[in-house]
Amino acid sequence: NAGVTQTPKFQVLKTGQSMTLQCAQDMNHEYMSWYRQDPGMGLRLIHYSVGAGITDQGEVPNGYNVSRSTTEDFPLRLLSAAPSQTSVYFCASSYFQGGTEAFFGQGTRLTVV
Amino acid sequence: GENVEQHPSTLSVQEGDSAVIKCTYSDSASNYFPWYKQELGKRPQLIIDIRSNVGEKKDQRIAVTLNKTAKHFSLHITETQPEDSAVYFCAASRLSRDDKIIFGKGTRLHILP
Repeated sequence: NAGVTQTPKFQVLKTGQSMTLQCAQDMNHEYMSWYRQDPGMGLRLIHYSVGAGITDQGEVPNGYNVSRSTTEDFPLRLLSAAPSQTSVYFCASSYFQGGTEAFFGQGTRLTVV
Repeated sequence: GENVEQHPSTLSVQEGDSAVIKCTYSDSASNYFPWYKQELGKRPQLIIDIRSNVGEKKDQRIAVTLNKTAKHFSLHITETQPEDSAVYFCAASRLSRDDKIIFGKGTRLHILP
């Protein structure tokens, strides 16, 4: 089992560019989510999915899109990058949304200049 | 909405001493309380969790206590070692497949030589 695989590990974007952060899990987990981590702000939920074809917004969804066409994959799209989106992004998966261990990807450090 | 408060935000303890991190939660129906450890540059990983049918759980030098009446839970690390230096996140959710997990903002623990 690879667990949760997240790519890329580092990325630099120019303001206005778009990109997709990839996330894949091989544990057949129902629940997948994206967080951003900023100093002093903890882990803030961007978007989440409780199964293929179902997505919903978290705490800080603006500027991001997601889709879940398969159980395994949950990509995060930045539509038009802004400096405020400079952050470390983590994808996570778990069997269910509540009450079970969350497995995190290795993280993506994104810098928008 | 649901909220998890975590204190302190930074904690420095002498190697060999004990460290205590405290969290309070607002949703009285929460009954699953995990703790995650994030080493520098790494992903968060589950280190211990507790369910509301028990008041305390231990795993070697780590213990978690829960007071459901007061809606607070704590992480205790005894005989601290340099490898305990990390950011620790508490979280709370219901034992329900559809309930969101809410993270605290994290505590940066420094173990002093």
